[in-house]
Formats: sequence, C-alpha cells, structure tokens
Amino acid sequence: EVQLLESGGGLVQPGGSLRLSCAASGFTFSTYAMYWVRQAPGMGLEWVSTLGDNGASAYYADSVTGRFTIFRDTSKNTLFLQMNSLRVEDTAIYYCAKVGRDGHSVYYDYWGQGTLVTVSS
Amino acid sequence: EIVLTQSPGTLSLSPGERATLSCRASQSVSSSYLVWYQQKPGQAPRLLIYGASSRATGIPDRFSGSGSGTDFTLTISRLEPEDFAVYYCQQHGPSRWTFGQGTKVEIK
Repeated sequence: EVQLLESGGGLVQPGGSLRLSCAASGFTFSTYAMYWVRQAPGMGLEWVSTLGDNGASAYYADSVTGRFTIFRDTSKNTLFLQMNSLRVEDTAIYYCAKVGRDGHSVYYDYWGQGTLVTVSS
Repeated sequence: EIVLTQSPGTLSLSPGERATLSCRASQSVSSSYLVWYQQKPGQAPRLLIYGASSRATGIPDRFSGSGSGTDFTLTISRLEPEDFAVYYCQQHGPSRWTFGQGTKVEIK
C-alpha cells in the first residue's frame, strides 16, 4: 500500500526557514517523480514544486523560485522541501504527492495528509 | 502560463440530481494532461478523473469527464450524499502544473 507521510510543519517567523519531509512507502520511490502542493487556509490548491524521477530535474512555481528547494534521499525514501526566506503568504497546508502515469496521461495518484506551515510574527 | 477557470464557483443541488462542472483553459490543453480531483473538508485531494475522461481506480461510474481543447466537463450523474465536496481541475504544462480555483458542490 502506497503511503506518504509529511512532517516538519510548524510556526515560523517571516524570513525564517523550515524543512518539510515526506516519508514514502509502498512503491519504488527512486523511480517516480514527486510533487509538493500547498493550500492556504480556505483557498484552493497551488502547485509548488516537482522533482523528476531522476532526482535531478526540479521545477518551481514562480512564487517560490529562489527560496524553496526540492530534493530527496532515496536511501531513506524521503522527499524534502527546504523553505527559506518564508513569507506570511507561504502559510498553508503542504501536501506531497506521487506521480501516476497511464499511457500519455500524467496525474497525482497518491497524496499525503499534509503538514501545516504558519508564517507569522 | 495556462489559467484554468472553473464554473460555477458553487453549485447547490439535491441528492439524486445531476451536477455539471466546467473547466475552461486560457489556451489549448492536451486531454492527456487534464485531471479532476475531489476534496472534502480536512482531507487531502483524491484523484477522480485523468486524461480528461478516464476514471481512477475505485471511482464510481456516476463520475464522468469529457472535453477537449479549452473546454472540459466533470459530470456527476446522480449525486450521492458523499459527493458534496470541492472539485478541482488541473493541467500539466511544460515543467509546471496549474489548478482551477475549484467548484464547491453543496447540498441545496
């Protein structure tokens, strides 16, 4: 059974840093692209970042480029999101998600339960 | 960047009724990359439809997706009590993904 378990959220002051983790199990972690998606309180979903299946290709939303870094540790089956220079508008639940593929179709087939990041003074 | 606009913002219906949700893209989207998710309060999103029209594993056949180009539709043929939720469309573009703002299906 595929499981994704996020951790690392919490309260941080503006300008601070936080590292989120997503522990993966139930699939061959090193062969799948992974994603971070966030949801501000009462708002919709926002794609944040993608790490390609090779672990080297990384993509970011404009809102986090230069401040966030996505990476993984395949020995621990864990995805990370290093968040620096945090802003109040980064306050959200952060979800990790796994890629699913069927032919040419691409989608997020499994999601974690999310971890809450609150940026406030 | 491709912008997805969902309508209506809120749909008020009764159990047993048909729900029709729209997702319009600012430019043409490959059907292979158009996805629908359902989200209930306090829960993570759940995959419903991928490739514009393929149901994900375990999704009841009352859910169906259609469309191409810039106009896509999610239809729930007969609403069950557990279907009242927020629905998001999503598209995969070069190196990035975007979501629509969501449609809330609420009990009338």
